[in-house]
Amino acid sequence: ELVMTQSPATLSVSPGERATLSCRASQTVGSNVAWYQHKPGQAPRLLIYGASTRATGVPARFSASGSGTEFALTISSLQSEDFGVYYCQQYNIWPLFGPGTKVDIK
Amino acid sequence: QLQLQESGSALVKPSQTLSLTCAVSGGSINTEGHSWSWVRQPPGQGLEWIAYIHHRGTTYYNPSLQSRVSISVDKSRNHFSLELNSVTAADTAVYYCARVELRHFDFGTFDIWGHGTMVAVSS
Repeated sequence: ELVMTQSPATLSVSPGERATLSCRASQTVGSNVAWYQHKPGQAPRLLIYGASTRATGVPARFSASGSGTEFALTISSLQSEDFGVYYCQQYNIWPLFGPGTKVDIK
Repeated sequence: QLQLQESGSALVKPSQTLSLTCAVSGGSINTEGHSWSWVRQPPGQGLEWIAYIHHRGTTYYNPSLQSRVSISVDKSRNHFSLELNSVTAADTAVYYCARVELRHFDFGTFDIWGHGTMVAVSS
């Protein structure tokens, strides 16, 4: 059974700092991973697909990497609007989200 | 600009059927390269995919919900729908409809979302 895990569960970051979020798949999913940002009361927003390609309109401070089973999302200089929960999702088989990493203000 | 809007009952009694519709505006539901999907988020929890339907009618369901769920599309009305039967309190969640950009065979990413609708299961 495929399981997606994310770490850390919560990341406390000061504005302007760098944040790195991790996502792991229990079996290989190739590069078929996406990242989403989700803020309370809003719909999730697609940030990254294909493990490393930014979606349309996503700022360059968001970057991502990985393949196989290990993936990472980096926010190079956190802005106030970047706080929220970040989910990874694999689409190698039917869609499965990770449990999320909450990025909050330090 | 494509927009999605969920509608349906906000309160459903246990053991009954939850029914939701997603209206698609600003574009056609009958397009190659996309499918249509439902995702939910129970209170305090993460996102859970429920079901997909391709414009040609092929459906995929989350194995954990497959026995209770049905997704359908009405091309004439440009909307798609979800039915989840035998609901319990565990089905209480915000339900989102979303467009899927197909990127890997029949699967892909959720690139356009509705605002979500809260559905509570309670007697």
